[in-house]
Amino acid sequence: GAVVSQHPSRVICKSGTSVKIECRSLDFQATTMFWYRQFPKQSLMLMATSNEGSKATYEQGVEKDKFLINHASLTLSTLTVTSAHPEDSSFYICSARKAVSSYEQYFGPGTRLTVT
Amino acid sequence: AQKVTQAQTEISVVEKEDVTLDCVYETRDTTYYLFWYKQPPSGELVFLIRRNSFDEQNEISGRYSWNFQKSTSSFNFTITASQVVDSAVYFCALSEASGFKTIFGAGTRLFVKA
Repeated sequence: GAVVSQHPSRVICKSGTSVKIECRSLDFQATTMFWYRQFPKQSLMLMATSNEGSKATYEQGVEKDKFLINHASLTLSTLTVTSAHPEDSSFYICSARKAVSSYEQYFGPGTRLTVT
Repeated sequence: AQKVTQAQTEISVVEKEDVTLDCVYETRDTTYYLFWYKQPPSGELVFLIRRNSFDEQNEISGRYSWNFQKSTSSFNFTITASQVVDSAVYFCALSEASGFKTIFGAGTRLFVKA
């Protein structure tokens, strides 16, 4: 199989604090991981593409200093929301790709972030 | 630039009715992949199907069927004899060969009433 996990599944934090979300491929090595954000009743918007051992590529309009992405190993990518504000409250979903030439993406279950 | 349009924001049907969810896409690539995902209230995306641009064969899987027509850039999804458990948001998505990024449509929220 191809299982991707995310931790935590839900997090509530206070405004101004930082939150780290982990995305792990449990039974395969992921050359590339993607981070998406989904606001209520909206579609998934790609935030960034993360390749193991290199800097993430951010989509236009996504602040790279606010959303720090680290892909330190072939099974783990982390997204840190720095100095979170209520408008950052959203559902964050990661996905992982097995090989460079593969179009198959395996999605994690998502992390619901609420900033109070 | 790639784009996926799901014009139907919400659809409401009564159980056992058939329902078709529309998806129209735009791409300049000749090689691309199209996907359908289901997102139940839990939020976790469920993969339903992938189709590459060179395979226009329609596909049927149980109550689900897909109609891919390159001539109209459409990849429509039909649920036959809908059930309450089919209630969810359905996303159509596109990946181009040139970038490997997946772009999602806005989604169609399907309500199936008992």
